[in-house]
Amino acid sequence: AQSVTQLDSHVSVSEGTPVLLRCNYSSSYSPSLFWYVQHPNKGLQLLLKYTSAATLVKGINGFEAEFKKSETSFHLTKPSAHMSDAAEYFCVVSDRVGTGRRALTFGSGTRLQVQP
Amino acid sequence: EAQVTQNPRYLITVTGKKLTVTCSQNMNHEYMSWYRQDPGLGLRQIYYSMNVEVTDKGDVPEGYKVSRKEKRNFPLILESPSPNQTSLYFCASSFMPGQGDTEAFFGQGTRLTVV
Repeated sequence: AQSVTQLDSHVSVSEGTPVLLRCNYSSSYSPSLFWYVQHPNKGLQLLLKYTSAATLVKGINGFEAEFKKSETSFHLTKPSAHMSDAAEYFCVVSDRVGTGRRALTFGSGTRLQVQP
Repeated sequence: EAQVTQNPRYLITVTGKKLTVTCSQNMNHEYMSWYRQDPGLGLRQIYYSMNVEVTDKGDVPEGYKVSRKEKRNFPLILESPSPNQTSLYFCASSFMPGQGDTEAFFGQGTRLTVV
């Protein structure tokens, strides 16, 4: 069975400082991994995805993530936080869990606060 | 513009009164699914559909029904809503596995309150 653990439920940073949101996963197969962002009262927007190509993945708005198979991690980073980055972030693993079924398993989310 | 459209965005209803939340996508995706989002639990899959007339249970299907009569539409039906179904619901669509592991596209969400 696949699972996703987001290690921090809340992260607070100052504007202009680096962001690190941590994610560990488990999967029986070779998963695809995603980070989604959810702004207040909005739907989920894809930030970036890993699908077994380059292990360092660049996404929108300056975010990137590195897939580390040995550590089963897919941490999200950004060099310099902006006020508009304040949102909830979800790490997601996508894998086949049976005949035809593709399951997206979500982490419980990390709420990022950016202080001025 | 590629999008998944859910309606309504907000709904308050009473226990036992049947309701339907609609979902429509314009990307010709085969795969559609419904999720509910609850604090501290992330998103959990309710039902999914691999194509027209093909649906199956996800992780938390109790109290819900779905139908897939057309490729673009995937409504979520609560025959007799109860307060524990108060939640934020998302519809998602994507291409099928094996056609490239593309991402899922999500609707804007429906906030349902059952009193």
